[in-house]
Amino acid sequence: AQTVTQSQPEMSVQEAETVTLSCTYDTSESDYYLFWYKQPPSRQMILVIRQEAYKQQNATENRFSVNFQKAAKSFSLKISDSQLGDAAMYFCAYRSAAGTASKLTFGTGTRLQVTL
Amino acid sequence: EPEVTQTPSHQVTQMGQEVILRCVPISNHLYFYWYRQILGQKVEFLVSFYNNEISEKSEIFDDQFSVERPDGSNFTLKIRSTKLEDSAMYFCASSDVGRSKNIQYFGAGTRLSVL
Repeated sequence: AQTVTQSQPEMSVQEAETVTLSCTYDTSESDYYLFWYKQPPSRQMILVIRQEAYKQQNATENRFSVNFQKAAKSFSLKISDSQLGDAAMYFCAYRSAAGTASKLTFGTGTRLQVTL
Repeated sequence: EPEVTQTPSHQVTQMGQEVILRCVPISNHLYFYWYRQILGQKVEFLVSFYNNEISEKSEIFDDQFSVERPDGSNFTLKIRSTKLEDSAMYFCASSDVGRSKNIQYFGAGTRLSVL
């Protein structure tokens, strides 16, 4: 079974600074997807960014980018120019590419605080 | 922008009662999911549903749980006899077909409180 580990329960960043959230995963599969979801205080799960394992290029979405290291099974999220609205829980998630309705497996989350 | 809609936003029930949580997935999506998140814990998969049948279910999804797509738009999760430990946030998600489209989009969740 796949597992996702987020070793940073909490992180803090100053507004306009850059922060990196860590995620590692364990799988025997070669084809899969990785995601970062944001959960603000409203508790809605919002997709931040997605990475396909067969793509070597790291995904980017505006201020959000990932560092995907397939051999190391590492998938970190970098938030540049942090804003107050970035404060939330961030969950790393894994999804197998096998099957069409495969589940997401989530990590335990990292709570990000953004300070002035 | 299309979104997944869940009702109610908060459900309070007595232990032993039946509850039905409702979801309206994004209209052209074919795959549907339920997840739950106990307060302070990670999000856990319950069940996936495609073509009017369960595709996969977790160990959590025991006989007291059931899912149904009663019509062309709704997707429901029923808990037959609620327990205190069923108190959690329940999220519905849906996804489209195809490798580039199979992102799961989540609803805002239903907070279930079992007293």
